[in-house]
Parts: sequence; C-alpha cells; structure tokens
Amino acid sequence: GDSVTQMEGPVTLSEEAFLTINCTYTATGYPSLFWYVQYPGEGLQLLLKATKADDKGSNKGFEATYRKETTSFHLEKGSVQVSDSAVYFCVLADSGNTPLVFGKGTRLSVIA
Amino acid sequence: GAVVSQHPSRVICKSGTSVKIECRSLDFQATTMFWYRQFPKQSLMLMATSNEGSKATYEQGVEKDKFLINHASLTLSTLTVTSAHPEDSSFYICSAPKGRGYNEQFFGPGTRLTVL
Repeated sequence: GDSVTQMEGPVTLSEEAFLTINCTYTATGYPSLFWYVQYPGEGLQLLLKATKADDKGSNKGFEATYRKETTSFHLEKGSVQVSDSAVYFCVLADSGNTPLVFGKGTRLSVIA
Repeated sequence: GAVVSQHPSRVICKSGTSVKIECRSLDFQATTMFWYRQFPKQSLMLMATSNEGSKATYEQGVEKDKFLINHASLTLSTLTVTSAHPEDSSFYICSAPKGRGYNEQFFGPGTRLTVL
C-alpha cells in the first residue's frame, strides 16, 4: 500500500536557520502530495501542495518540489522564525474520497 | 478555501458517559468524511470513513460499537464515543474532501476529549 516516510524529529533550529524536512513516498498511482502544519493545541492546516511531478508548492516562505524520480517531497525554508515552531506532516492523497496517508510528523522548535 | 468545523472544541466528561462530536462542512457538501484520532506527540490515526446514506467503514482495531458514526446529511457527520473511559481521552479530528475526484481534504480544528 501507499506510505510516507519523513524524517523524525524533534528538530531544533535557531532563528533564521535553513530548514529541510525530508519526505519520501511510495504509491501505486499518481498521488498528490501535501505538507500540513499543526500548531500547538490546534488542528491541521494545509501549508502547501503539489499535484503532479515537478510541481513546486510554496507558501509562507516554505517550498517543496514533487520529485517523481526520487519519490520525494522535501520541505524547505530559507530562514525559519520562532512562529514556525509546530509539527509538520507530509501527506499523500492517492485519489479523491480516499483517506490521506500521513507521515509520522516532525516536530520543529525554533529558538530565538 | 473550504471550511470544516467541529463542535465542541473541548469536552470533559465522566467515565461511563457518552460524548457526541459534530463535524460540519460549512460551505460545501461532503458525501464522505474521515475521522482521525491523534495521541499526544503522534501522527493521526484513521479511525473510520463516514459515508452519507450508508454505514461507516471502520479501520481494523476500531470498535464500531464504541465509536458510533452517523453521516446525517451532506454537511454533517457525528462521532459518538459511547461509555467513555479514560483511555478514550484523545484529540479527535475530522476531514472532508471537497468534491468527487478532488483529493485535497479540509480538516476540522479538532476536539480534545478528556475522560475523568
């Protein structure tokens, strides 16, 4: 079945550091890929998405490129802020109306 | 974007009581909704798929008599935790895809259940 593997945290960075959270997937079809973010005590919010190979999703300074050749969707940000502290989930959707496949989540802590 | 609400956001109940959690799609119709459970510092675990007009589909290991799901309309699904016990304390989250074939899902804000 489909699966998502993302780097385990926690990740602790200083403010303005570069962030990379690795994510790889396995899927039988042509999935869409997402990064969701969960701030403390809250639900999940969509951060960015890519629906086909070579698409780049971007939002709030975060970027991820859908790499079919390496089955990856790594999340990057050039300069993190304290407010970026949250849990980040790499997520795969194989088709409409099917459950999402979640990575285990990576907790990011950014310190001033 | 689409909006999904959940009610209540937090609930504390005594052991043995039942608790109902509502999930509503506010600006779109959802024939399917998903219920997840999240333990502290862990990922989301799919509990069941809620289908409008038919029975819910439960994941392996989820007790259907304990977690009753009713998809009452195209905008409302409810999860009832029956005879709740402390081990049922968790964060419950619902999601709904917007439209057939549209594989982005929209999440509710979650419900924190604490069973004393």
